[in-house]
Amino acid sequence: AAGVIQSPRHLIKEKRETATLKCYPIPRHDTVYWYQQGPGQDPQFLISFYEKMQSDKGSIPDRFSAQQFSDYHSELNMSSLELGDSALYFCASSTQGAREQYFGPGTRLTVT
Amino acid sequence: AQSVTQLGSHVSVSEGALVLLRCNYSSSVPPYLFWYVQYPNQGLQLLLKYTSAATLVKGINGFEAEFKKSETSFHLTKPSAHMSDAAEYFCAVSPKATGGYQKVTFGIGTKLQVIP
Repeated sequence: AAGVIQSPRHLIKEKRETATLKCYPIPRHDTVYWYQQGPGQDPQFLISFYEKMQSDKGSIPDRFSAQQFSDYHSELNMSSLELGDSALYFCASSTQGAREQYFGPGTRLTVT
Repeated sequence: AQSVTQLGSHVSVSEGALVLLRCNYSSSVPPYLFWYVQYPNQGLQLLLKYTSAATLVKGINGFEAEFKKSETSFHLTKPSAHMSDAAEYFCAVSPKATGGYQKVTFGIGTKLQVIP
């Protein structure tokens, strides 16, 4: 069965650079969620989209922005990267009213 | 706001012994509850979920969890630990909302070590 696809899987950036993470949800899923998992920490909710509109917002820094496109894929844009942004970024998808989210494998971002 | 508390950030069991990972939830109404497993350098895999059907939920890899409203608990168990069970386990909660989008809030995670 098709799963959530995230690209790239690994990304190395320097401080103050920008990064774009991509998420391709499971086909026919209309809702996308982004989570950030710092080293040794639990995943923290960043932001979600339903039908291309932002549906909820968590602890997402102002330096980050995200959007969902007409094909339902989503991109997380991160600017002015800081060392503390080094983390595993998960994308999850679901359908409206679904009771669970399906997680992608994550993108590991390292900021040096 | 809903939250989960996982008791014990590290748990060690012998191979073949009972696995018990504790999770208590905080919510004004029974929420949806989940257990996820994360193997080193990998993503999150859903083990099982409680969505207000049967209180005893069976998941993959021989794990199960029982929802106890009186104790606000959703502990994860497995009768006999296997070396391949060594991983980090996250209890998670999402609101029983009618909307189509429900963020998941995770506990801090419990690292399970299986001793041969």
